Amino acid sequence: AQSVTQPDIHITVSEGASLELRCNYSYGATPYLFWYVQSPGQGLQLLLKYFSGDTLVQGIKGFEAEFKRSQSSFNLRKPSVHWSDAAEYFCAVGEGSNYKLTFGKGTLLTVNP
Amino acid sequence: DTAVSQTPKYLVTQMGNDKSIKCEQNLGHDTMYWYKQDSKKFLKIMFSYNNKELIINETVPNRFSPKSPDKAHLNLHINSLELGDSAVYFCASSLGLAGGPEQFFGPGTRLTVL
Repeated sequence: AQSVTQPDIHITVSEGASLELRCNYSYGATPYLFWYVQSPGQGLQLLLKYFSGDTLVQGIKGFEAEFKRSQSSFNLRKPSVHWSDAAEYFCAVGEGSNYKLTFGKGTLLTVNP
Repeated sequence: DTAVSQTPKYLVTQMGNDKSIKCEQNLGHDTMYWYKQDSKKFLKIMFSYNNKELIINETVPNRFSPKSPDKAHLNLHINSLELGDSAVYFCASSLGLAGGPEQFFGPGTRLTVL
């Protein structure tokens, strides 16, 4: 069965600093990989996705992620964090023909002024 | 124009009651999903329908019954509510089996069982 690990439960960065959120997955085949963001009291918004091709993918709000098959990782990055980026971030892997998503436990991002 | 909508947004009820949550999507997608997010923010899939046919049915108590009257709607009925059912329930949709795995989520329904 597939699984997703987000090693960092909570990360605090200063506004303007760079950000990297880690995600490791376990899946036998080439995975479909996603990053979603959830602001307080809101639903989940898709930041970016990887299906195939270029391993560096660009998303919305200035985020990017890199798929590294050798490390089974799909880390999310942003060069300069804004206060509005404070939220919960979820990594997910899609499985099989049903495209069932398995989520990591999330990383809470706090941004200090 | 809301892509995936859920009603109600908040639901507070007593143990033992029966309640329903409704979901509608106007994206023309074939596949819809129900997820449960617990108090620790952990998201887990419950059910999925593709063109009104049940395709994913995770280990969920029989008290939970999904119904899809058409491919734009997926409702969740819960019988005999228990304290442990308190959570946020998210509906999602995707193009599905032919179109790819990207899922779009609704705003969630926060269920509180007293």
